[in-house]
Amino acid sequence: GENVEQHPSTLSVQEGDSAVIKCTYSDSASNYFPWYKQELGKGPQLIIDIRSNVGEKKDQRIAVTLNKTAKHFSLHITETQPEDSAVYFCAASQRIQGAQKLVFGQGTRLTINP
Amino acid sequence: DSGVTQTPKHLITATGQRVTLRCSPRSGDLSVYWYQQSLDQGLQFLIQYYNGEERAKGNILERFSAQQFPDLHSELNLSSLELGDSALYFCASSAGIFTDTQYFGPGTRLTVL
Repeated sequence: GENVEQHPSTLSVQEGDSAVIKCTYSDSASNYFPWYKQELGKGPQLIIDIRSNVGEKKDQRIAVTLNKTAKHFSLHITETQPEDSAVYFCAASQRIQGAQKLVFGQGTRLTINP
Repeated sequence: DSGVTQTPKHLITATGQRVTLRCSPRSGDLSVYWYQQSLDQGLQFLIQYYNGEERAKGNILERFSAQQFPDLHSELNLSSLELGDSALYFCASSAGIFTDTQYFGPGTRLTVL
């Protein structure tokens, strides 16, 4: 089955700097890769996603890149702000047995230092 | 606010007991997913329902069961609870069976004492 590895597990950056979180996946059939942000005491919130027919997608300060050949994808946050502090999860979508399932990475705790 | 609602927010119970967690999907969504989030396990997929029918199973224990009702709300039943079942339980919903985008609810924190 699908396996998703996420690095780093913790990341601390200065406010205004950029943050990059990387994920690798194992199943070349996976075709959808969302990123979720989870704040303390809340459920995961979808922040950006990318499909396998696209190499890069941007939404304001957030961008995601996908390298299908290498089977890895990354989240880039520019001009970081204190409210970006949270745990970020990557995931890969896998179609199995007439359904669809998300396999998540272990998460990255991002801290933005003022 | 994702539009997915879960009740209760917190649940404290004793080992050996049974509890029921409830989820209402976003308006119009037919698929419901259940996930377990433990400190050391990340988000683990448990089960998916689509329009009342079970569609996919993940790492769901035999002591756990779920169902989706005609009004599309879903319930996750956890029985013979053990200390290790303490975790956050999330429900997510999506429009269809293969619609990839899933929206998560706020979760239920279960504590087993």
